[in-house]
Amino acid sequence: ETGVTQTPRHLVMGMTNKKSLKCEQHLGHNAMYWYKQSAKKPLELMFVYNFKEQTENNSVPSRFSPECPNSSHLFLHLHTLQPEDSALYLCASSQTSRQGETQYFGPGTRLLVL
Amino acid sequence: RKEVEQDPGPFNVPEGATVAFNCTYSNSASQSFFWYRQDCRKEPKLLMSVYSSGNEDGRFTAQLNRASQYISLLIRDSKLSDSATYLCVVRGQNFVFGPGTRLSVLP
Repeated sequence: ETGVTQTPRHLVMGMTNKKSLKCEQHLGHNAMYWYKQSAKKPLELMFVYNFKEQTENNSVPSRFSPECPNSSHLFLHLHTLQPEDSALYLCASSQTSRQGETQYFGPGTRLLVL
Repeated sequence: RKEVEQDPGPFNVPEGATVAFNCTYSNSASQSFFWYRQDCRKEPKLLMSVYSSGNEDGRFTAQLNRASQYISLLIRDSKLSDSATYLCVVRGQNFVFGPGTRLSVLP
């Protein structure tokens, strides 16, 4: 399945590094999402973009910086992360205008901060 | 109260058993409801949408009770491959995920 792709799939970074996660959706959706899933914890919504505009920032620390250049691409820029930021970062997309439409997830980026 | 709550689990059942998962939600304005499954170290994948009249997909049956703000998922004749975490998802303004209930089907 290649509806939503994410790169890289795995990332190890030090606390002083800067890296970016990329997400691309090929479903023609107009909303994209970033979620964080820590070990044995529920999914935590981080950011929501509708038609390239950020509509939700769920009290996420500023060391996470999202960017949505168009409806198909979403980035998460990372800098000066902490070890507790190690988690699975999932991107999803949906069609916002229609209730009943669901979200489709990418395979995620597994991040380890040393 | 959490927006979406689920049975804490885990559920350990033998192959062939019938198992039911329960979910409650707090936002009465929610309009769409789903069950997802998530395999270990993988992304969540849609299992089925939940409709007001209830719906069935093979061995899986989903029910919605809007008055009680309650959703259920029934799995009949469970298979080893059904082992996963089952996530209840409610959509109002945004998608809200429950914490999930882990199911292990044992041989």
